[in-house]
Amino acid sequence: GESVGLHLPTLSVQEGDNSIINCAYSNSASDYFIWYKQESGKGPQFIIDIRSNMDKRQGQRVTVLLNKTVKHLSLQIAATQPGDSAVYFCAENSGGAQKLVFGQGTRLTINP
Amino acid sequence: GAGVSQSPSNKVTEKGKDVELRCDPISGHTALYWYRQSLGQGLEFLIYFQGNSAPDKSGLPSDRFSAERTGGSVSTLTIQRTQQEDSAVYLCASSPDRAGDTQYFGPGTRLTVL
Repeated sequence: GESVGLHLPTLSVQEGDNSIINCAYSNSASDYFIWYKQESGKGPQFIIDIRSNMDKRQGQRVTVLLNKTVKHLSLQIAATQPGDSAVYFCAENSGGAQKLVFGQGTRLTINP
Repeated sequence: GAGVSQSPSNKVTEKGKDVELRCDPISGHTALYWYRQSLGQGLEFLIYFQGNSAPDKSGLPSDRFSAERTGGSVSTLTIQRTQQEDSAVYLCASSPDRAGDTQYFGPGTRLTVL
């Protein structure tokens, strides 16, 4: 069945280092993927998305990589800052599906 | 422009009481979603509205849960005879048009059932 999961529930990085958050999915029909950031006490906030006809997309300090061969999605955050501390969720959708499927989430903490 | 808003931000109720949670989606968004998020957990899909189509209620955990969307805009999630396990943050999201596209979330309502 469909599932979207994350390899690590928590990730700690030093301020200024790059962060990589991973996500695996099992539905080979998935064609749209989103990363969300959720800060404490707030709703998830859209970060970046990617469609299956791409393998890489860059935003401001963030890059999403999609490997359809192994059904793997990653979010890279460059020069991690204290404000990046949050829980990060991946979500996926297969064409025609009515809803996104969200992963469990990875908590990113920044060490000074 | 204004984002998705939800009210109340916090709700404390006693076991057995009914509660109503409100969501105001982004103006013009045709799709509206409700999710539940328990402490430290991911998002659990509850229900989805798209335009005038019949809602997708496949995620509602029991018949104590129901939702309405009036006039294609505001939505209300109702939980009857609340139980302690209903305690969670209830998140609403809307998206512009096509189902499954980027969803924009509200801040959520934190429900505590004593």
